[in-house]
Amino acid sequence: GENVEQHPSTLSVQEGDSAVIKCTYSDSASNYFPWYKQELGKRPQLIIDIRSNVGEKKDQRIAVTLNKTAKHFSLHITETQPEDSAVYFCAASIYGNKLVFGAGTILRVKS
Amino acid sequence: SAVISQKPSRDICQRGTSLTIQCQVDSQVTMMFWYRQQPGQSLTLIATANQGSEATYESGFVIDKFPISRPNLTFSTLTVSNMSPEDSSIYLCSASDRGTNEKLFFGSGTQLSVL
Repeated sequence: GENVEQHPSTLSVQEGDSAVIKCTYSDSASNYFPWYKQELGKRPQLIIDIRSNVGEKKDQRIAVTLNKTAKHFSLHITETQPEDSAVYFCAASIYGNKLVFGAGTILRVKS
Repeated sequence: SAVISQKPSRDICQRGTSLTIQCQVDSQVTMMFWYRQQPGQSLTLIATANQGSEATYESGFVIDKFPISRPNLTFSTLTVSNMSPEDSSIYLCSASDRGTNEKLFFGSGTQLSVL
């Protein structure tokens, strides 16, 4: 089955800097890649997602890139702010099948 | 996106007892999913609950331990049966209004502690 690896496990950045979180997946048939943000004690919330027919997607300060050949995708956050501090999870799935989540990245934005 | 109300938000239970978690969605959804999130860990899918059919369980999870009901398109329950301390975790329900596993939204979670 699908396996998703996520790096780094923790990431500290200075406010205003960029943050990049990377995930690799094992099943080349996977075609849907969402990113979730989970603040402490809160529910996971979808922040951005991408399908395999798209190489990059942006939403304000957040972007996701996908390299199907290498089977990896990344989350990019620019101009980080303290409220970006949270745990971020990547996930992968084949359309209609279960989502497999990465282990998560704790992002700390220092002001 | 739709909103899921989940209850209870937390509970402390005795070993050997059972707890039923309820999730109510404010719109009709085809598929609902139950996840477990152990402290500081990722989300692991327990089962997929479709209305009108038996739930589909993932490897390592069985119906006798985690019975699920899905009586209609807006409601589902997960029961954690014969609990042990190893069942202490956060349980989350989720759903999508896309009829697939895309763009999942989550309930607020049930933090379960088993003594």
